[in-house]
Amino acid sequence: GENVEQHPSTLSVQEGDSAVIKCTYSDSASNYFPWYKQELGKRPQLIIDIRSNVGEKKDQRIAVTLNKTAKHFSLHITETQPEDSAVYFCAASRLTGGGNKLTFGTGTQLKVEL
Amino acid sequence: DAGVIQSPRHEVTEMGQEVTLRCKPISGHNSLFWYRQTMMRGLELLIYFNNNVPIDDSGMPEDRFSAKMPNASFSTLKIQPSEPRDSAVYFCASSLLAVSYNEQFFGPGTRLTVL
Repeated sequence: GENVEQHPSTLSVQEGDSAVIKCTYSDSASNYFPWYKQELGKRPQLIIDIRSNVGEKKDQRIAVTLNKTAKHFSLHITETQPEDSAVYFCAASRLTGGGNKLTFGTGTQLKVEL
Repeated sequence: DAGVIQSPRHEVTEMGQEVTLRCKPISGHNSLFWYRQTMMRGLELLIYFNNNVPIDDSGMPEDRFSAKMPNASFSTLKIQPSEPRDSAVYFCASSLLAVSYNEQFFGPGTRLTVL
């Protein structure tokens, strides 16, 4: 089955700096890579996703890059703000229409310090 | 839409007792997932259903755990008998089966404490 590794487990940045979280996956058939944000005591929520037919996707201050050859993908947050403090999870899946199971990474605790 | 609904939000029980967690997916969604979250093990998929049929239950830790989805708008996760190591937050999530995207919408979770 799929295995997703995520690094770092904790990340502390100063407000306004950039943050980068990296994930690797094992199943070369995976073609969908979402990122979820979980604030303290809340549910995980999708913030951005990327499919294997593109190498990069941006949405305001967040971006995701994908390297299929190396089987890794990354989340980039620019101009970090205190409200970005949360746990971020990467995940991988095969989009088949017949059951799209997500395999999650272990999470990165991001702390944005004032 | 009210989103995914889970009940109870908090459950405290004693070891050996039966626990039943409930989930109502978003109307129209046809995939439903049960996850368990702990500090040690992160976010683990326990089981998921497509069109009310269990597809993959390989994450169910042991026979004490069982899940059902009798119809498209209701699912249960049962633990019998419960043990202290079952203490965790249990999330239910739902999505729409599609080949073009796969956003899973999570419920608020049930925090289970087994004493």
